Amino acid sequence: NAGVTQTPKFQVLKTGQSMTLQCAQDMNHNSMYWYRQDPGMGLRLIYYSASEGTTDKGEVPNGYNVSRLNKREFSLRLESAAPSQTSVYFCASSERDRGLRGYGYTFGSGTRLTVV
Amino acid sequence: AQKITQTQPGMFVQEKEAVTLDCTYDTSDPSYGLFWYKQPSSGEMIFLIYQGSYDQQNATEGRYSLNFQKARKSANLVISASQLGDSAMYFCAPFYGNTGKLIFGQGTTLQVKP
Repeated sequence: NAGVTQTPKFQVLKTGQSMTLQCAQDMNHNSMYWYRQDPGMGLRLIYYSASEGTTDKGEVPNGYNVSRLNKREFSLRLESAAPSQTSVYFCASSERDRGLRGYGYTFGSGTRLTVV
Repeated sequence: AQKITQTQPGMFVQEKEAVTLDCTYDTSDPSYGLFWYKQPSSGEMIFLIYQGSYDQQNATEGRYSLNFQKARKSANLVISASQLGDSAMYFCAPFYGNTGKLIFGQGTTLQVKP
Protein backbone atom coordinates (compact mmCIF):
# COMPACT_ATOMS: atom_id res chain seq x y z
CA ASN A 1 0.00 0.00 0.00
CA ALA A 2 1.26 3.46 -0.90
CA GLY A 3 2.12 5.68 2.01
CA VAL A 4 4.69 6.71 4.57
CA THR A 5 6.50 4.03 6.54
CA GLN A 6 8.26 4.77 9.80
CA THR A 7 10.56 2.49 11.73
CA PRO A 8 10.72 1.59 14.52
CA LYS A 9 7.22 1.94 15.99
CA PHE A 10 8.45 1.90 19.58
CA GLN A 11 11.84 2.59 21.15
CA VAL A 12 13.22 3.02 24.64
CA LEU A 13 16.59 4.76 24.98
CA LYS A 14 18.81 5.59 27.90
CA THR A 15 19.90 9.19 28.35
CA GLY A 16 22.92 9.87 26.17
CA GLN A 17 22.28 7.09 23.67
CA SER A 18 21.91 7.83 20.00
CA MET A 19 19.50 6.50 17.45
CA THR A 20 18.09 7.16 13.99
CA LEU A 21 14.42 7.16 13.11
CA GLN A 22 13.77 6.04 9.57
CA CYS A 23 11.09 7.27 7.20
CA ALA A 24 10.33 6.25 3.64
CA GLN A 25 7.56 7.24 1.23
CA ASP A 26 6.58 5.66 -2.04
CA MET A 27 4.36 8.40 -3.47
CA ASN A 28 7.14 10.24 -5.31
CA HIS A 29 6.62 13.30 -3.12
CA ASN A 30 9.26 15.99 -3.15
CA SER A 31 8.75 17.29 0.39
CA MET A 32 9.21 15.41 3.65
CA TYR A 33 8.82 16.46 7.27
CA TRP A 34 9.53 15.37 10.83
CA TYR A 35 7.18 16.38 13.64
CA ARG A 36 7.08 15.58 17.32
CA GLN A 37 3.95 15.39 19.45
CA ASP A 38 4.09 15.63 23.20
CA PRO A 39 1.15 14.35 25.28
CA GLY A 40 -1.98 16.46 24.84
CA MET A 41 -0.25 18.78 22.40
CA GLY A 42 -0.22 19.55 18.72
CA LEU A 43 2.48 18.48 16.31
CA ARG A 44 5.59 20.65 16.20
CA LEU A 45 7.81 20.75 13.14
CA ILE A 46 11.39 19.62 13.80
CA TYR A 47 12.94 19.64 10.34
CA TYR A 48 11.71 19.52 6.80
CA SER A 49 13.10 18.85 3.36
CA ALA A 50 11.43 20.70 0.51
CA SER A 51 13.21 18.58 -2.07
CA GLU A 52 15.97 16.01 -2.37
CA GLY A 53 19.26 17.51 -1.24
CA THR A 54 17.78 20.29 0.91
CA THR A 55 16.88 20.41 4.59
CA ASP A 56 15.69 23.26 6.81
CA LYS A 57 14.99 23.79 10.48
CA GLY A 58 11.47 23.88 11.79
CA GLU A 59 10.13 25.10 15.13
CA VAL A 60 12.09 22.78 17.45
CA PRO A 61 15.31 21.58 15.76
CA ASN A 62 17.66 21.56 18.76
CA GLY A 63 19.02 18.13 19.61
CA TYR A 64 18.19 16.64 16.21
CA ASN A 65 19.83 16.16 12.84
CA VAL A 66 18.32 14.97 9.59
CA SER A 67 19.42 13.40 6.34
CA ARG A 68 17.50 13.35 3.09
CA LEU A 69 19.13 10.22 1.76
CA ASN A 70 17.25 10.25 -1.53
CA LYS A 71 13.81 11.25 -2.73
CA ARG A 72 12.16 8.41 -0.82
CA GLU A 73 13.94 8.53 2.52
CA PHE A 74 14.27 11.13 5.27
CA SER A 75 15.90 10.12 8.55
CA LEU A 76 15.95 11.84 11.94
CA ARG A 77 18.88 11.35 14.28
CA LEU A 78 19.16 11.94 17.99
CA GLU A 79 22.88 12.14 18.79
CA SER A 80 22.55 12.18 22.58
CA ALA A 81 19.03 11.44 23.72
CA ALA A 82 17.54 13.40 26.62
CA PRO A 83 14.34 12.75 28.62
CA SER A 84 12.88 15.95 27.10
CA GLN A 85 12.92 14.15 23.75
CA THR A 86 10.39 11.60 24.96
CA SER A 87 7.60 12.04 22.44
CA VAL A 88 5.76 10.56 19.49
CA TYR A 89 7.53 11.32 16.23
CA PHE A 90 5.63 11.60 12.96
CA CYS A 91 7.08 11.66 9.49
CA ALA A 92 5.02 13.14 6.66
CA SER A 93 5.37 13.79 2.97
CA SER A 94 3.68 16.05 0.43
CA GLU A 95 4.01 17.78 -2.84
CA ARG A 96 4.93 21.27 -1.66
CA ASP A 97 2.56 23.27 -3.80
CA ARG A 98 -0.29 20.91 -3.16
CA GLY A 99 -0.71 22.31 0.31
CA LEU A 100 -2.26 25.24 -1.49
CA ARG A 101 -4.60 23.00 -3.42
CA GLY A 102 -5.87 20.88 -0.57
CA TYR A 103 -3.97 17.70 -1.16
CA GLY A 104 -2.45 17.86 2.27
CA TYR A 105 0.14 15.69 3.84
CA THR A 106 0.39 11.94 4.23
CA PHE A 107 1.51 10.95 7.70
CA GLY A 108 3.26 7.86 8.92
CA SER A 109 1.86 5.97 11.89
CA GLY A 110 4.39 7.43 14.30
CA THR A 111 7.30 6.29 16.47
CA ARG A 112 6.77 6.32 20.22
CA LEU A 113 10.13 7.16 21.81
CA THR A 114 10.82 7.06 25.53
CA VAL A 115 14.12 8.32 26.94
CA VAL A 116 14.84 7.19 30.49
CA ALA B 1 6.62 32.61 14.03
CA GLN B 2 3.13 31.83 12.87
CA LYS B 3 0.66 31.47 15.70
CA ILE B 4 -2.37 29.21 15.65
CA THR B 5 -4.91 29.39 18.46
CA GLN B 6 -7.45 26.76 19.33
CA THR B 7 -9.08 28.20 22.41
CA GLN B 8 -11.07 25.14 23.49
CA PRO B 9 -8.81 22.50 25.04
CA GLY B 10 -11.81 20.21 25.63
CA MET B 11 -15.36 20.09 24.35
CA PHE B 12 -18.38 17.91 25.02
CA VAL B 13 -21.30 17.40 22.66
CA GLN B 14 -24.37 15.25 22.78
CA GLU B 15 -24.68 12.60 20.10
CA LYS B 16 -26.55 13.84 17.01
CA GLU B 17 -26.00 17.49 17.87
CA ALA B 18 -23.73 19.91 16.00
CA VAL B 19 -20.51 21.30 17.44
CA THR B 20 -18.12 24.08 16.41
CA LEU B 21 -14.40 23.92 17.05
CA ASP B 22 -12.61 27.28 16.94
CA CYS B 23 -9.37 28.17 15.19
CA THR B 24 -7.66 31.49 14.61
CA TYR B 25 -4.32 31.94 12.91
CA ASP B 26 -1.78 34.61 12.29
CA THR B 27 -0.29 35.21 8.86
CA SER B 28 0.78 37.96 6.49
CA ASP B 29 1.12 35.46 3.68
CA PRO B 30 -1.66 36.12 1.13
CA SER B 31 -1.56 32.56 -0.14
CA TYR B 32 -2.27 29.82 2.34
CA GLY B 33 -4.47 26.85 3.01
CA LEU B 34 -6.25 25.66 6.10
CA PHE B 35 -6.46 22.01 7.03
CA TRP B 36 -8.28 20.25 9.80
CA TYR B 37 -7.03 16.88 11.01
CA LYS B 38 -8.59 14.37 13.36
CA GLN B 39 -6.48 12.24 15.68
CA PRO B 40 -8.35 9.41 17.40
CA SER B 41 -6.95 7.63 20.42
CA SER B 42 -5.18 5.19 18.09
CA GLY B 43 -2.88 8.06 17.12
CA GLU B 44 -3.09 8.32 13.34
CA MET B 45 -3.59 11.67 11.65
CA ILE B 46 -6.73 11.76 9.51
CA PHE B 47 -7.34 14.57 7.01
CA LEU B 48 -10.86 16.01 7.30
CA ILE B 49 -11.28 19.19 5.27
CA TYR B 50 -9.40 21.94 3.48
CA GLN B 51 -10.01 25.64 2.75
CA GLY B 52 -7.87 27.69 0.37
CA SER B 53 -7.28 31.33 1.21
CA TYR B 54 -8.68 32.38 -2.17
CA ASP B 55 -11.70 30.11 -2.10
CA GLN B 56 -14.91 32.10 -2.30
CA GLN B 57 -17.15 29.54 -0.65
CA ASN B 58 -16.81 27.77 2.65
CA ALA B 59 -15.56 24.21 2.29
CA THR B 60 -17.83 21.28 3.04
CA GLU B 61 -17.04 17.58 3.24
CA GLY B 62 -19.90 15.36 4.33
CA ARG B 63 -20.72 16.22 7.96
CA TYR B 64 -17.77 18.61 8.15
CA SER B 65 -17.88 22.25 7.11
CA LEU B 66 -15.68 25.26 7.63
CA ASN B 67 -16.83 28.68 8.78
CA PHE B 68 -14.03 30.63 7.09
CA GLN B 69 -13.75 34.32 7.93
CA LYS B 70 -10.65 35.51 6.14
CA ALA B 71 -10.63 39.07 7.46
CA ARG B 72 -10.79 37.77 11.02
CA LYS B 73 -8.26 35.00 10.25
CA SER B 74 -10.65 32.44 11.57
CA ALA B 75 -11.49 28.96 10.27
CA ASN B 76 -13.87 27.16 12.60
CA LEU B 77 -14.78 23.52 12.01
CA VAL B 78 -18.44 22.58 12.25
CA ILE B 79 -19.35 18.94 12.76
CA SER B 80 -23.03 18.23 12.22
CA ALA B 81 -24.95 15.27 13.64
CA SER B 82 -22.12 14.18 15.95
CA GLN B 83 -21.40 10.48 16.25
CA LEU B 84 -19.64 8.56 19.01
CA GLY B 85 -16.80 7.89 16.57
CA ASP B 86 -16.15 11.63 16.35
CA SER B 87 -14.59 11.53 19.82
CA ALA B 88 -10.98 12.48 19.12
CA MET B 89 -8.50 15.31 19.14
CA TYR B 90 -8.93 17.86 16.34
CA PHE B 91 -6.16 20.03 14.96
CA CYS B 92 -6.30 23.16 12.87
CA ALA B 93 -3.24 23.39 10.63
CA PRO B 94 -2.52 26.29 8.28
CA PHE B 95 -0.27 25.63 5.31
CA TYR B 96 1.85 28.64 4.45
CA GLY B 97 2.61 29.03 0.77
CA ASN B 98 5.74 31.14 1.19
CA THR B 99 7.48 28.52 3.33
CA GLY B 100 5.76 25.30 2.33
CA LYS B 101 5.17 24.43 5.98
CA LEU B 102 2.16 22.92 7.70
CA ILE B 103 1.96 24.26 11.27
CA PHE B 104 -0.40 22.78 13.86
CA GLY B 105 -2.48 24.33 16.59
CA GLN B 106 -2.49 22.79 20.04
CA GLY B 107 -5.71 20.89 19.39
CA THR B 108 -9.19 20.48 20.85
CA THR B 109 -10.32 17.24 22.46
CA LEU B 110 -13.91 16.45 21.57
CA GLN B 111 -15.99 13.93 23.49
CA VAL B 112 -19.34 12.86 22.13
CA LYS B 113 -21.80 11.73 24.78
CA PRO B 114 -24.42 9.08 24.02
